[in-house]
Amino acid sequence: QKEVEQDPGPLSVPEGAIVSLNCTYSNSAFQYFMWYRQYSRKGPELLMYTYSSGNKEDGRFTAQVDKSSKYISLFIRDSQPSDSATYLCAMSEVGRRALTFGSGTRLQVQP
Amino acid sequence: DVKVTQSSRYLVKRTGEKVFLECVQDMDHENMFWYRQDPGLGLRLIYFSYDVKMKEKGDIPEGYSVSREKKERFSLILESASTNQTSMYLCASFPSNTGELFFGEGSRLTVL
Repeated sequence: QKEVEQDPGPLSVPEGAIVSLNCTYSNSAFQYFMWYRQYSRKGPELLMYTYSSGNKEDGRFTAQVDKSSKYISLFIRDSQPSDSATYLCAMSEVGRRALTFGSGTRLQVQP
Repeated sequence: DVKVTQSSRYLVKRTGEKVFLECVQDMDHENMFWYRQDPGLGLRLIYFSYDVKMKEKGDIPEGYSVSREKKERFSLILESASTNQTSMYLCASFPSNTGELFFGEGSRLTVL
């Protein structure tokens, strides 16, 4: 079993829809949780960064962490065609430099 | 502006060739990483370095080595390339005080 599981999609939604992306994990030592966005033929770029449980909002993006269920989510409101990309969740333990990534979910927002 | 530069975007090599992938960052970051990215498998850590001349194995180091002679430069070496090393290779760096990884554009390697 992978340490971090993420549905690969593809997920196709109409413009303006609310998108929900999710990851589950098995390592209870993970404390830092991140979402990266990767456009085609580009390197990933950081979207959201949270520590431990709770919610974090940044514009149209909201990240949620539920450590009791080992489940994290990224919500995108009013989705735009420019949001079409692969979204990767990533996590790390305190004091460990390396991140563990999910396999990524490909999102397509139809105009 | 933050910059991680990978020397080659696309490479085609033959089985058995020695391959060098170079990465340079201009942010004075202590930590640098090499990941490979494959469909369905996500990003897997090959090696990382937290200081000059220091290196640690990641999850899939077999068939790879690394070199970090200067703080800004981290090289990935495939001593004898094999077809199962055909992949996208991503270099990343981050400072010790945040969790944000800054990635390069990637190097797509094809081994024939």
